[in-house]
Amino acid sequence: GAGVSQSPSNKVTEKGKDVELRCDPISGHTALYWYRQSLGQGLEFLIYFQGNSAPDKSGLPSDRFSAERTGGSVSTLTIQRTQQEDSAVYLCASSLGPNNEKLFFGSGTQLSVL
Amino acid sequence: QQPVQSPQAVILREGEDAVINCSSSKALYSVHWYRQKHGEAPVFLMILLKGGEQKGHEKISASFNEKKQQSSLYLTASQLSYSGTYFCGTPGVYGGSQGNLIFGKGTKLSVKP
Repeated sequence: GAGVSQSPSNKVTEKGKDVELRCDPISGHTALYWYRQSLGQGLEFLIYFQGNSAPDKSGLPSDRFSAERTGGSVSTLTIQRTQQEDSAVYLCASSLGPNNEKLFFGSGTQLSVL
Repeated sequence: QQPVQSPQAVILREGEDAVINCSSSKALYSVHWYRQKHGEAPVFLMILLKGGEQKGHEKISASFNEKKQQSSLYLTASQLSYSGTYFCGTPGVYGGSQGNLIFGKGTKLSVKP
């Protein structure tokens, strides 16, 4: 596609429910990144994929968070048993490769946990 | 591992200059700069590699001193459109170029008429 696409753009859920956030990177981009941005805060790294594998999962805040990428393209970030502190904008980015390529960010998913 | 940015915030009048600094406690292979306007996604400005090369984007330039593990972003003759939060990012893998990009907490720049 023309840019990184994320869905949904907004998600409101109740505490304790599971949510899935989707990212469709730019076609041909092998590297994919997930970041979290709480209100007025910086970009917190969550996970990085090169192809379908995730060599770095160090940023996932807890075992309630998981992510997968299939076919070297679309990625899904899953948050189980959501908590109020999970409320944030979840940003996905992709790059042509892992070596000092510029990141293209999607518009993000605004997650609100009530 | 997170790079440290300073200042946290700066307010300018149109036409004034500003410098944003980014430093790391570990050896760096590269430094990346992004700008995020309110309510929007971050947008790439430039990447600086080892060698102290200075890059430019519009009237925004940057330098990278790998020995000091520092980078500085220079905004000259600022325009209203420069307002936003500036983030520097450094590779998470020690000294390497591969892997995740770790961002600093950001510097909020406000340019007033």
